Amino acid sequence: DAMVIQNPRYQVTQFGKPVTLSCSQTLNHNVMYWYQQKSSQAPKLLFHYYDKDFNNEADTPDNFQSRRPNTSFCFLDIRSPGLGDAAMYLCATRGGVSDTQYFGPGTRLTVL
Amino acid sequence: GQSLEQPSEVTAVEGAIVQINCTYQTSGFYGLSWYQQHDGGAPTFLSYNGLDGLEETGRFSSFLSRSDSYGYLLLQELQMKDSASYFCAVTGPLDTGRRALTFGSGTRLQVQP
Repeated sequence: DAMVIQNPRYQVTQFGKPVTLSCSQTLNHNVMYWYQQKSSQAPKLLFHYYDKDFNNEADTPDNFQSRRPNTSFCFLDIRSPGLGDAAMYLCATRGGVSDTQYFGPGTRLTVL
Repeated sequence: GQSLEQPSEVTAVEGAIVQINCTYQTSGFYGLSWYQQHDGGAPTFLSYNGLDGLEETGRFSSFLSRSDSYGYLLLQELQMKDSASYFCAVTGPLDTGRRALTFGSGTRLQVQP
C-alpha cells in the first residue's frame, strides 16, 4: 500500500543534542510538509518542499532545518533541541491538484 | 493570515447526529477540509469542500458557505470509534504549489454509550 512512513515513532534526546527525524513516502507526491503538534493543539506548519523548492514558515525557529535529498525522503533536523521542542512531529504529502494531505503516523519527540 | 474557530468539545450519544461548526477568516481561500485525529494518531482526511454546498461521504457530510466563511461537519449514526478530535482546515493562498493547511484548534468529540 502507498503510504507515508516516519521513523522513529518515538525519539528521546537530551537538551541541546541534535536529532534527526525522517519521513519517506511511496505516493510519489511532489509536495512534502513538516508540522509540529503539541499536546491538545492543532498541527502547526514548520516548512514544506514543492519538489526541491524549500519554503520556510516565517515563525519557524532557526533551530529547525530540513533536507529533501529526493522525492521519497525528507528529514527534519533539530540542531539544539530545547524543552519547548518536545512535541509530535508530523510529515505529510500532497500530490497533483488535490488539496488532500496524507499524514504519516508521526514521531513523538521527548527532550530530557 | 488565516484563523479558524471551532468548539473545543462536543459530547453526544451513540446513534445520534452531531454537527461541528467552523468559521474562518482568511486572506486567501481555496477550500475547507476536515481531518479526524484519534489520541496518539495522525490526522486522517475526512472531507473537502471547494465549492458551496454539501459533500456526503458515508456517515460523514461537510457543508461550506463561502459567503458566510462558515462550514460544518455532520456525523450521523455516531459510533464509539468516532470519539476523536476533529479539525477544520483551510487551504492557504494559491502561491506556487503551497496550499498549506492552517488548522483550527480542534473539537474533541466524546461519544457516550
